Amino acid sequence: EVQLVESGGGLVQPGGSLRLSCAASGFTFSTYWMVWVRQSPGKGLEWVANIKGDGNENYYLDSVKGRFTISRDNAKNSLYLQMNSLRAEDTAVYYCVRDAMRGGDFDVWGQGTTVTVS
Amino acid sequence: DIVMTQSPDSLAVSLGERATINCKSSQSVLRTSNNKSYLAWYQQKPRQPPKLLIYWASTRESGVPDRFSGSGSETDFTLTISSLQAEDVAVYYCHQYHHTPRTFGQGTKVEIK
Repeated sequence: EVQLVESGGGLVQPGGSLRLSCAASGFTFSTYWMVWVRQSPGKGLEWVANIKGDGNENYYLDSVKGRFTISRDNAKNSLYLQMNSLRAEDTAVYYCVRDAMRGGDFDVWGQGTTVTVS
Repeated sequence: DIVMTQSPDSLAVSLGERATINCKSSQSVLRTSNNKSYLAWYQQKPRQPPKLLIYWASTRESGVPDRFSGSGSETDFTLTISSLQAEDVAVYYCHQYHHTPRTFGQGTKVEIK
């Protein structure tokens, strides 16, 4: 069964840091672009960052550039999001998502992990 | 950034009736090289992550009931639920994946009348 399981969320003060992890299983992780998407009550769904299968290419939402870093460890089938200088507006549920590899739609979603900056 | 605007924000439909949700993008999401619109639809039920329903604007994801259909091209798209079932109560989002940053519509809440 294809599965994504996030961890690492929690309560952090403004200016603090947090590292999210996502454990993938049931598919050949290294061949897929992977994505972080967040959802907050006020802003709906928001794409945050994505990373190519080999880890050599990535893109970020402008508002998180320079503060967040997406990375992956294909040997561990894991995706990460290092979040620094956190702001109240980063408060959201963060989803680990698989890019379907046919253009960019998102075919597998984790259950999400909640980040609260307060 | 491409802005995705859905209408209406919410709608109430009787069981067995048709539900129609519209999505308009501020720029074309049609890739002329393959004539595909890079537009997807997702369904999100309470306390669950979004679930992919439709990609390439009109291709149903595997396992999605055929009462769900997508149409449209370039900037104007529609998701239709042909005969609303109780389990279809959810929020529906459109999503463009032609340009970075990927962007979503604000969501349309579908309820039973």
